[in-house]
Amino acid sequence: GAGVSQTPSNKVTEKGKYVELRCDPISGHTALYWYRQSLGQGPEFLIYFQGTGAADDSGLPNDRFFAVRPEGSVSTLKIQRTERGDSAVYLCASSLVVGGGDNEQFFGPGTRLTVL
Amino acid sequence: AQTVTQSQPEMSVQEAETVTLSCTYDTSENNYYLFWYKQPPSRQMILVIRQEAYKQQNATENRFSVNFQKAAKSFSLKISDSQLGDTAMYFCAGEYGNKLVFGAGTILRVKS
Repeated sequence: GAGVSQTPSNKVTEKGKYVELRCDPISGHTALYWYRQSLGQGPEFLIYFQGTGAADDSGLPNDRFFAVRPEGSVSTLKIQRTERGDSAVYLCASSLVVGGGDNEQFFGPGTRLTVL
Repeated sequence: AQTVTQSQPEMSVQEAETVTLSCTYDTSENNYYLFWYKQPPSRQMILVIRQEAYKQQNATENRFSVNFQKAAKSFSLKISDSQLGDTAMYFCAGEYGNKLVFGAGTILRVKS
């Protein structure tokens, strides 16, 4: 079946602009995660959803970042007033349920965001 | 706070030989899970192998195996019979509180 998909693949924007990044999880997966991967580093956790609710948003760096998952499937990561430091690859993952190492997180190919 | 450390930025190995990638971690939790992920240039993170902390037996998946030393908080990945397709970035990760904490990664290059 289809894996996790993310759109767009690449996004170039100007400093101060608003961007939205979309994630389509694997069908039937209840949990959805967002990570940010800066150049040369490992991914860093941003937020995860269990169903429609954000269960843990402790990784969001500041209030310019916001994510939603209104129907418990597709999620959108929203970044307001973008800064050059927001440039990174944004990875989305989904898992069948939350919790436990048996619940493998399946990753999408990421969106590369470049803020000029 | 949970941390994961990979001290080898880059490694090289000849095709068909064996290579070991190192990882150490720190956590105060008793029940946790550890993973190795592979990230090729396509950016797609692929799970290579997982280990449950309360299991003493080291996990094995075909050519991939781990050496899990719980007391030392060490979790190394051994790749046997290395293949050109193994060339990628490898990340060690721990699952704490339903989220993954990743190390900085090790670039592995398999040479023919």
